[in-house]
Amino acid sequence: EDQVTQSPEALRLQEGESSSLNCSYTVSGLRGLFWYRQDPGKGPEFLFTLYSAGEEKEKERLKATLTKKESFLHITAPKPEDSATYLCAVQDSGGSNYKLTFGKGTLLTVNP
Amino acid sequence: NAGVTQTPKFRVLKTGQSMTLLCAQDMNHEYMYWYRQDPGMGLRLIHYSVGEGTTAKGEVPDGYNVSRLKKQNFLLGLESAAPSQTSVYFCASSLQLNYGYTFGSGTRLTVV
Repeated sequence: EDQVTQSPEALRLQEGESSSLNCSYTVSGLRGLFWYRQDPGKGPEFLFTLYSAGEEKEKERLKATLTKKESFLHITAPKPEDSATYLCAVQDSGGSNYKLTFGKGTLLTVNP
Repeated sequence: NAGVTQTPKFRVLKTGQSMTLLCAQDMNHEYMYWYRQDPGMGLRLIHYSVGEGTTAKGEVPDGYNVSRLKKQNFLLGLESAAPSQTSVYFCASSLQLNYGYTFGSGTRLTVV
């Protein structure tokens, strides 16, 4: 069974203080790993898809990386508007490839 | 371009009542999904569709039915609501199976 574990559950940063969020996963075969951002009361917003180990993608202050067992979302010099819950999800390349398995998320708070 | 639109945004039902949640997308996406999000748990797939006229069960399909008569619409029905179905429901769509999803803003359902 596919599993996704995100850590930490919550992270509080000062504006400009860089850090990383972790997503550890277990799948029989990885079709894709997805990062989403979710603001309170809203639906998740797609950020990145990573397909193979060693792949990296960037968007503004965010950079996602992927290994065979985990993914990191690096946040450089965060701003208060980066505060949100960040969700990681995996898609299996096997029989259950129709769905994403989501982690519980990391709640990021960036203080000014 | 509206993306994915869900109606209603909020609803309170009494146990045993029925209702239908509507999801509409204007991106010509083939794939559509219904997820539920509960506190302390990741998003879980209820049902999904790989194209007009098709539906299939996800992880937690019991107590729900779906229909996709038109490509742009995906309906989620609760025939006899139970308190365990109190949740936030998200509809999503994607162009391809391994592409990032576009989520709607959610429906907050309370069953009393």
